[in-house]
Amino acid sequence: SQQGEEDPQALSIQEGENATMNCSYKTSINNLQWYRQNSGRGLVHLILIRSNEREKHSGRLRVTLDTSKKSSSLLITASRAADTASYFCATDAGSARQLTFGSGTQLTVLP
Amino acid sequence: NAGVTQTPKFQVLKTGQSMTLQCAQDMNHNSMYWYRQDPGMGLRLIYYSASEGTTDKGEVPNGYNVSRLNKREFSLRLESAAPSQTSVYFCASSTQVPGTGELFFGEGSRLTVL
Repeated sequence: SQQGEEDPQALSIQEGENATMNCSYKTSINNLQWYRQNSGRGLVHLILIRSNEREKHSGRLRVTLDTSKKSSSLLITASRAADTASYFCATDAGSARQLTFGSGTQLTVLP
Repeated sequence: NAGVTQTPKFQVLKTGQSMTLQCAQDMNHNSMYWYRQDPGMGLRLIYYSASEGTTDKGEVPNGYNVSRLNKREFSLRLESAAPSQTSVYFCASSTQVPGTGELFFGEGSRLTVL
């Protein structure tokens, strides 16, 4: 079963706009990670946020975590065509010793 | 620096045939993983290995076996392939205890079972 679920399933925006994706999960976590997958490629790690952190930045990426609502959001600012990809959240629930992935958000950035 | 290398990249099997997917990492990572990715379902963990000589079942282990040959290599074997095993398989590795850190992924192996 999947711990994290992304919303929306698909998102299409114009280049230069901001893109926001959300992830909801069911049980308490130690950390939450975001990954990007370009079409036909492997996943690439973007950012990790721990359960005691509320916000984290990396370049044009901003991740927030609300443990009371069991949700996280990934914001990509000033999006580029090269940001077109699927984005997955993954949760670490600690005792399971497994990183559990959601089903992803397909982002399309139109030039 | 190659990172995580998977072979083969593509494979077509008939039902009942066997095959082994190979994975090697050159980052001196302790933990290695096999995931499968099906449309609309994200990635599901098949097996993982926290260190050389140890393996553990993940969420969907049925129909698969694994071998942690050494610290670098972690193979996934399908003994009798079934159409339900048609998927994209990803190997990954990590420096940290399973479930806790960043994963480094290979490019995937696309398997079709007829």
